Amino acid sequence: DAKTTQPPSMDCAEGRAANLPCNHSTISGNEYVYWYRQIHSQGPQYIIHGLKNNETNEMASLIITEDRKSSTLILPHATLRDTAVYYCIVTYNNAGNMLTFGGGTRLMVKP
Amino acid sequence: GAVVSQHPSWVICKSGTSVKIECRSLDFQATTMFWYRQFPKQSLMLMATSNEGSKATYEQGVEKDKFLINHASLTLSTLTVTSAHPEDSSFYICSAGVGGWTTEAFFGQGTRLTVV
Repeated sequence: DAKTTQPPSMDCAEGRAANLPCNHSTISGNEYVYWYRQIHSQGPQYIIHGLKNNETNEMASLIITEDRKSSTLILPHATLRDTAVYYCIVTYNNAGNMLTFGGGTRLMVKP
Repeated sequence: GAVVSQHPSWVICKSGTSVKIECRSLDFQATTMFWYRQFPKQSLMLMATSNEGSKATYEQGVEKDKFLINHASLTLSTLTVTSAHPEDSSFYICSAGVGGWTTEAFFGQGTRLTVV
């Protein structure tokens, strides 16, 4: 799997958009970008994934650059419950495929 | 979405004893499940891949005789930490995928093991 680079931590004000960047410059053509998050002392939770088009669901939006070397996860209106570690993972689109977790970004949403 | 359940959520055991952690897929069948370990303030590290009806595949550096994995059915995988020591204290997490139309992995809620 290709390696990803994320900032170790970010702060965001409650109610504002949280934009979490991820670099994956060595991504291959068949690899997808997945985002998971882990709230303290819980198992990771799937957020969203995409190949090359931007994606949106009820939780977040995923913006992937045209060259696919980076992406941004957007939480449009962050709440205190969004405080978590967010992991950007590049992997093949295979259900249940084992995931290689990097350091992630610790997002702190502040009132 | 699909549900993966782990039991117990936390356990405290004495050094030298064994602890079994269960991972169940509640509403789907999982031919493959994965076991991860997470130390405080660190990321998840894959320990092993659990295959239904066959031997587990362990990552480099993980002792297969210490971390016994059994995947006897399509909905249950178990991880047994044998002769536990304080350095085995960690957060253990399992995951499984549904396959077919959905592509995300579903994780259990994790098991916090403390060995005293």
